[in-house]
Amino acid sequence: DTAVSQTPKYLVTQMGNDKSIKCEQNLGHDTMYWYKQDSKKFLKIMFSYNNKELIINETVPNRFSPKSPDKAHLNLHINSLELGDSAVYFCASSPWDRIYEQYFGPGTRLTVT
Amino acid sequence: SQELEQSPQSLIVQEGKNLTINCTSSKTLYGLYWYKQKYGEGLIFLMMLQKGGEEKSHEKITAKLDEKKQQSSLHITASQPSHAGIYLCGADMARETSGSRLTFGEGTQLTVNP
Repeated sequence: DTAVSQTPKYLVTQMGNDKSIKCEQNLGHDTMYWYKQDSKKFLKIMFSYNNKELIINETVPNRFSPKSPDKAHLNLHINSLELGDSAVYFCASSPWDRIYEQYFGPGTRLTVT
Repeated sequence: SQELEQSPQSLIVQEGKNLTINCTSSKTLYGLYWYKQKYGEGLIFLMMLQKGGEEKSHEKITAKLDEKKQQSSLHITASQPSHAGIYLCGADMARETSGSRLTFGEGTQLTVNP
């Protein structure tokens, strides 16, 4: 009965590969987010979707492409992985009108070698 | 430069000591939120402040928002090892073109030594 789940939890891959991270929430929220937390622990928003529609797209390389098949899922696909992509990626969800009430997934630690 | 500046970046205290973490913005904030993150886990919502001069407490943690709504402080009284983690402030910086979003400070790593 996990609220926000992410898979995989750990991902180790080589430069140049393409990988996906999946996120699902069972809270009935309209809005979902992807965050990147770098080695300095700084958490920065990457994307935000509301009812399957992209509403926030921060300055993120085109190699990152979110996909929302339905409002309970927001997946992150990364092409041509680079060393600098190594980080922890968090998925979160919230009601549309209470963005502070975000529920976070456990994170996916991506290591690019 | 970051839109939200947090200080200090890290803090090591002895159990039982009081401590304060600050969060500052150059812009007026529509809402200021405090979160705690344990290593390797997602964020846990602690408190929300929306009105200038507002103060809220939860157990031994007190958060305040100044009158100008540009600075907030998080104060922990009689710290315990369970308080250890990363504390992040988040702010609602509504933008005309892309709607409300949360912007986070860079976090404060708190260590409480028994």
